[in-house]
Amino acid sequence: DTGVSQDPRHKITKRGQNVTFRCDPISEHNRLYWYRQTLGQGPEFLTYFQNEAQLEKSRLLSDRFSAERPKGSFSTLEIQRTEQGDSAMYLCASSLGDTDNEKLFFGSGTQLSVL
Amino acid sequence: GQQVMQIPQYQHVQEGEDFTTYCNSSTTLSNIQWYKQRPGGHPVFLIQLVKSGEVKKQKRLTFQFGEAKKNSSLHITATQTTDVGTYFCAGRNTGGFKTIFGAGTRLFVKA
Repeated sequence: DTGVSQDPRHKITKRGQNVTFRCDPISEHNRLYWYRQTLGQGPEFLTYFQNEAQLEKSRLLSDRFSAERPKGSFSTLEIQRTEQGDSAMYLCASSLGDTDNEKLFFGSGTQLSVL
Repeated sequence: GQQVMQIPQYQHVQEGEDFTTYCNSSTTLSNIQWYKQRPGGHPVFLIQLVKSGEVKKQKRLTFQFGEAKKNSSLHITATQTTDVGTYFCAGRNTGGFKTIFGAGTRLFVKA
């Protein structure tokens, strides 16, 4: 399978706990995005990596959120001290990074429920 | 900051009727993309438009990018039940890194 994979598919946690999600992009893609989506809304941009460099992070994102892409391949998104408002689908997407072709390939997402 | 707005939020059509969704950006875009998300699924890329005034067709779908590169539309001719889902436009600012999505238009098709 050469698509974008995300793990886990579902995560249920208690308020105050830390959670970490993993994304494996398509192997030749150098750009990686994290988005958050709630019911009835479009994907909300969280952060963007070009290879291992995190080039942009949403100003809406609190300090409880951190993302890494240590070797320019897989990425992790960590949420510390989760709150009920963090409940959402967390989507990862990757792209080839060709200026004329910004096609984003999305994974199936991690559905987070904070109780 | 950059905002991408879509209308309508919902559209109910009878199978065979046409459907159009509109997208407007608060800033000039370097490109506009359209995605479709089926219920329970993830967004799937449909098309990208780059040039001012560009029009592209995919079977029954027609995509337009405005002359000022700030608006776009998706038109579906003679909808089918398989067209059901949410259609998102997404745009990137010139020189920017992030692709910003609109809130989407959810299409319901009644057979």
